[in-house]
Amino acid sequence: GQNIDQPTEMTATEGAIVQINCTYQTSGFNGLFWYQQHAGEAPTFLSYNVLDGLEEKGRFSSFLSRSKGYSYLLLKELQMKDSASYLCAVRATDSWGKLQFGAGTQVVVTP
Amino acid sequence: GAVVSQHPSWVICKSGTSVKIECRSLDFQATTMFWYRQFPKQSLMLMATSNEGSKATYEQGVEKDKFLINHASLTLSTLTVTSAHPEDSSFYICSARDPIRVQETQYFGPGTRLLVL
Repeated sequence: GQNIDQPTEMTATEGAIVQINCTYQTSGFNGLFWYQQHAGEAPTFLSYNVLDGLEEKGRFSSFLSRSKGYSYLLLKELQMKDSASYLCAVRATDSWGKLQFGAGTQVVVTP
Repeated sequence: GAVVSQHPSWVICKSGTSVKIECRSLDFQATTMFWYRQFPKQSLMLMATSNEGSKATYEQGVEKDKFLINHASLTLSTLTVTSAHPEDSSFYICSARDPIRVQETQYFGPGTRLLVL
């Protein structure tokens, strides 16, 4: 079956680091995406991993281990505007590239 | 970067009426677009995959006669919620896949909030 798990909520203080884990069990794998979604808005693309390893993009980094079915998104130097839901999504191997989303992790950044 | 627009952003309608939502890719041609629905505090649920010039592919449990999808051009897909009922009230989001970018990332429109009274 298809299953993507991530924690429901995480809280951290401004300036700190937070790591959001995502584990997946899917019938096919063609890449893993992280999106950020602020309340009432559409998701915005953050990162993409298809090979094992770490991808760094400014304050955000994403890691993938395909053998373990595991990814994490690392947010450094947290800012208040980083308070949002972070969605882990796995892309299927079908020709259309459908995404299956996890339930999202609500990150709350406190002063 | 890739830009996807949706119209309208908000719609309130009476039960039994139909509502059309447009999704446009503004700076790229999208042969494939996706329609999602999101209920409060829940994740995105894929409703259907829309391919230019062919019939949409619906996910299990989504009624194709109720949610009509038309992908008439490489930059426009429409979702029509027919005979809308209060339980159809939700946040509808489209995405478009940019086939030219290496990652073929899906870019999302700003969403349409539908309230059926």
